[in-house]
Amino acid sequence: AQRVTQPEKLLSVFKGAPVELKCNYSYSGSPELFWYVQYSRQRLQLLLRHISRESIKGFTADLNKGETSFHLKKPFAQEEDSAMYYCALSGWDRDDKIIFGKGTRLHILP
Amino acid sequence: DGGITQSPKYLFRKEGQNVTLSCEQNLNHDAMYWYRQDPGQGLRLIYYSQIVNDFQKGDIAEGYSVSREKKESFPLTVTSAQKNPTAFYLCASSIMAGGVYEQYFGPGTRLTVT
Repeated sequence: AQRVTQPEKLLSVFKGAPVELKCNYSYSGSPELFWYVQYSRQRLQLLLRHISRESIKGFTADLNKGETSFHLKKPFAQEEDSAMYYCALSGWDRDDKIIFGKGTRLHILP
Repeated sequence: DGGITQSPKYLFRKEGQNVTLSCEQNLNHDAMYWYRQDPGQGLRLIYYSQIVNDFQKGDIAEGYSVSREKKESFPLTVTSAQKNPTAFYLCASSIMAGGVYEQYFGPGTRLTVT
C-alpha cells in the first residue's frame, strides 16, 4: 500500500537548535517526494521536493531509499519556522495522485 | 492578483442542506483538486479533475459532488448525505494532471454544519 508516515504530531525545538522532521514512506517503485508547509494564516505551499535538490529557507531533505525516508532537516531553528509540515509522495504517471502524510506541527521555542 | 481563490472563508449551514463551495483559478492550470483537512488526519482527497468536463473520485468522495464546466472553476457541493461535513476544505490546482506537479492551494473554506 502507498503510504506516508509522519510519526510526530508535534515537535517542539528551541530556537537555534537543529530540527529534524521525520517522514517514512511505502511505495512500490521510485516516487517523487515533497515537503509542503503551512504557516499560520497562510496557504499550504510547496517547501521543497527531492528532484530539485535545493535548500529552501535553510531546510534540506535527503531521500534514503534503503530506509524509505525523506526527513526534513535544518541545522539551526528560527522562530519563523513554526508551522505545519506535510510530507507527500507521488508516482510519475499522469493518473498518479499525491499522497500526503498527516502532518507534523513544528513549534519553535524562544 | 493571480492565483486560486475560494469563497466564502467561513460557511455555516443547517444539517440536511446542500452547500456549494467555490474554487476559481486564473493560473491556466489543467488539473484541480478538492481536499478535506481535519486535525490529525492530514489532507484527504475528495475529488479531482484532470481536464475540463472530466473528474474522478478521490479517497473520500461519498456525500460530495463536483462539476468542471470551465477550466477556471471547480465547485464542490457538500450534500446532506455527507455524514460529517464540518471541516476545513482546501482547493488546489496544478499545471497538469499528475501528483508530481506542484500543487497551488487556495486559502480554504471552513464549513460548519449544525
